[in-house]
Amino acid sequence: EVQLVESGGDLVQRGGSLRLSCAASGFTLNSYWMSWVRQAPGKGLEWVANIRQDGTEKYYVDSVKGRFTISRDNAKNSLFLQMNSLRDEDTAVYYCARHGSYNDFDYWGQGTLVTVSS
Amino acid sequence: EIVLTQSPGSLSLSPGERATLSCRASQSVSSSYLAWYQQKPGQAPRLLIYAASSRATGIPDRFSGSGSGTDFTLTISRLEPEDFAVYYCQQYGSSLWTFGQGTKVEIK
Repeated sequence: EVQLVESGGDLVQRGGSLRLSCAASGFTLNSYWMSWVRQAPGKGLEWVANIRQDGTEKYYVDSVKGRFTISRDNAKNSLFLQMNSLRDEDTAVYYCARHGSYNDFDYWGQGTLVTVSS
Repeated sequence: EIVLTQSPGSLSLSPGERATLSCRASQSVSSSYLAWYQQKPGQAPRLLIYAASSRATGIPDRFSGSGSGTDFTLTISRLEPEDFAVYYCQQYGSSLWTFGQGTKVEIK
């Protein structure tokens, strides 16, 4: 059974940093692109970043470029999101998601809440 | 960046009725890269439809997707109580993945 379990969400001050983790199981992580998708309270879904199977390609939504870094450790079946210079508008539930064959997201974790407060 | 606009914003229907949800793109989207998701309160999204019209694993056949170019549709043929939720479309293009703003299907 495919499982994605996020951790690391917390209450953090504006301008602070946080590192999210996603533990993958039930599939071979190094065979899949992986993404982070977020959802602000009461709002819709927003794709944040993704990373190729071997980590050589990464893409980001404009609003996080230069502040967030996605990475992975296939040997440890883990995906990460390093978030720096956090802003109020980064407050959201952050989901780890696996890419399907058609650039969709076929499996999702349950999410971890990041709250940025002054 | 391709913008996806979903309509209506909300839909009030009774169990057993048919639901038709629209997703319109600001530019042409490859049919291979248009997906639909269902999200219930407090839960992660679930993939329903990929490549515009293919059902994901375990999705009942009352859910169907259609469309091409800039206009796509998700149809739920007969609403079951568990289908009342928010539905999002999503597309990929030019190394960007974007979602529509969602359509909430409510019980009438």
